[in-house]
Formats: sequence, C-alpha cells, structure tokens
Amino acid sequence: DTGVSQDPRHKITKRGQNVTFRCDPISEHNRLYWYRQTLGQGPEFLTYFQNEAQLEKSRLLSDRFSAERPKGSFSTLEIQRTEQGDSAMYLCASSLGPVGVMRGYTFGSGTRLTVV
Amino acid sequence: DQQVKQNSPSLSVQEGRISILNCDYTNSMFDYFLWYKKYPAEGPTFLISISSIKDKNEDGRFTVFLNKSAKHLSLHIVPSQPGDSAVYFCAASENNDMRFGAGTRLTVKP
Repeated sequence: DTGVSQDPRHKITKRGQNVTFRCDPISEHNRLYWYRQTLGQGPEFLTYFQNEAQLEKSRLLSDRFSAERPKGSFSTLEIQRTEQGDSAMYLCASSLGPVGVMRGYTFGSGTRLTVV
Repeated sequence: DQQVKQNSPSLSVQEGRISILNCDYTNSMFDYFLWYKKYPAEGPTFLISISSIKDKNEDGRFTVFLNKSAKHLSLHIVPSQPGDSAVYFCAASENNDMRFGAGTRLTVKP
C-alpha cells in the first residue's frame, strides 16, 4: 500500500462546470476525511466518513458539494456549478481509528482545482 | 473562527541550531495537538503529537511542548537540518474535529 492516492492531481475547469475528485485511502483505514486548503491557510475540514457513513459535514460544504464513500473504500467529492472561489487544493486523509498520540491522519498529495 | 493560530508565517535558522515553532489555541476542549510538515506539491505529513494530559513529547530531534494554562504549544527541532525546510502546520483535535493553523515556513540555511 503506497498511502493515500488522489486523482487527478490538477484540474482546470470553467466556471459553472461540475468536477469530481477521487480519493483512495490506505486500505485498512476506516476513516476518511476531506479538507480544503487555500493559499496561505491551513487545511479546513469539509467532511468525514467512518466506513461508508458520512458522520460530519462542515458548514463550508455548501449544497453544491457532495461527497460519497459507497463501499467504505474510495471516496468521491463532487462540486457542481463551480465558482472561482472554489479554487483551492482539496486534500483527502485517512486514519485507522481516532487521533491519538503518535497517530495522526495520513494525507494524500491533493487535487489542485483552478476555476477560470 | 480561528481556534488554532500560528502567528509567525516564516522562520529562518542556521543549520545545527534550534528551530522553535509556536502555536496558540483558544479551545480548551482540544484533546490532542499535532504537528504536520508539508513539502511543496505534497500533502501534509504527520510529524508528532501530544495528548492534552501531557506537557512534553519527544521523538528524536523533535520535541513538542504543551502549556495548557497559556494555551500554547511549540515544536523544537534540534539540531535543525536543511531537509527540515518545509511548511509546518500545528493542528488540534477535539473528538476528531481537527483544526489547523495557517502554517509557518521554516528555512534552514546550510
């Protein structure tokens, strides 16, 4: 297992188009998180799954955003009717169980979205 | 609301010296505090964490100190190496709701 994989690495889209990102977590990890990072800021929490159940959603996740993890393995994040303000790095992370001492999330390399 | 703050956007130190990165938080309910390191074009990498019931955790060249009364934590890197040059994020977790600071860019000069 090579870690958390995200696809694509980069996406350029026109305003108003829909985009979908994929995340493949570490296989034995039951928890999967989506974060968004804009320039000069730290990652901001979007949503979290435990297995296939979406347990928490940030208020940042507007109704144009939807995330799924249908079989408790990979996850997709879809943004409908993209806006320029959606331009950011979208990071996926996974973990086995909760945060603990010497145990943080494992992040993927992210998908950089540019809306033009 | 910024519950985790890193007030220094950048820090430059000489190789072999100590690097001290600082972080302040406002939520006294945080139960774990973590540091992540990020290189360009990569996701953040977990470095070290500390439970809220401890005041120090050490792992090799990296030590994290927690001062709960001041709601302050710091990461010490001794000795600093050029390969440590990266952006360091402080994070704090409450029931797995993890909040990140804006990051500090560390540059270690040879």
